[in-house]
Amino acid sequence: SYEVTQPPSVSVSPGQTARITCSGDALSKQYAHWYQQKPGQAPVMVIYKDTERPSGIPERFSGSSSGTTVTLTISGVQAEDEADYYCQSVDMSGTYARVFGGGTKLTVL
Amino acid sequence: EVQLLESGGGLVQPGGSLRLSCVASGFTFSSYAMSWVRQAPGKGLEWVSAISGSSGRTDYADFVKGRFTISRDNSKNTLYLQMNSLRVEDTAVYFCAKERDSSSPHFDYWGQGTLVTVSS
Repeated sequence: SYEVTQPPSVSVSPGQTARITCSGDALSKQYAHWYQQKPGQAPVMVIYKDTERPSGIPERFSGSSSGTTVTLTISGVQAEDEADYYCQSVDMSGTYARVFGGGTKLTVL
Repeated sequence: EVQLLESGGGLVQPGGSLRLSCVASGFTFSSYAMSWVRQAPGKGLEWVSAISGSSGRTDYADFVKGRFTISRDNSKNTLYLQMNSLRVEDTAVYFCAKERDSSSPHFDYWGQGTLVTVSS
């Protein structure tokens, strides 16, 4: 089945750079998208199509892709960036299932 | 401003049924695919089902096939999820989400969610 894998947790100090990875065989052929979710809130899209940033999302959020791994990078992390982050892709080979990674808890120390 | 407002959640016994609704505003509803995504307490996001703008195509996660039915009424700007044969493990907050880009579907707007609790 189609899967994408994220680390359960990442910790950084304020002002440092956080990198959250998402891996999956199909990511070399399919785009990944990233969502931020704070406790009790709905998710918010922060990166789409590997590298595109929606309007209103701070420039410190960026995305990159290499082979079967995509990376969400948050430069100059702020306390308000502490949240769960999810990558998402799609199985376009037949089922068209939208698939989420398990999520990564970003802790700002 | 895009708004998505879910309703219909509540407490239901195992084996029971529930219909969720999501009223959309601020965009041309019929032009976009829509999805339901759920989140069990303390767990991650899990996609449930999607429907194209014209209702010509529906997709389901394996764990709901044959039990849940997604539909939409474009004249009412409303998305639905009919949930039958509910199980304890279906307990979750259910979000509706607007999709974009059919070649690589992703979710640019989300509702606040409605809680479904399946328990005896």
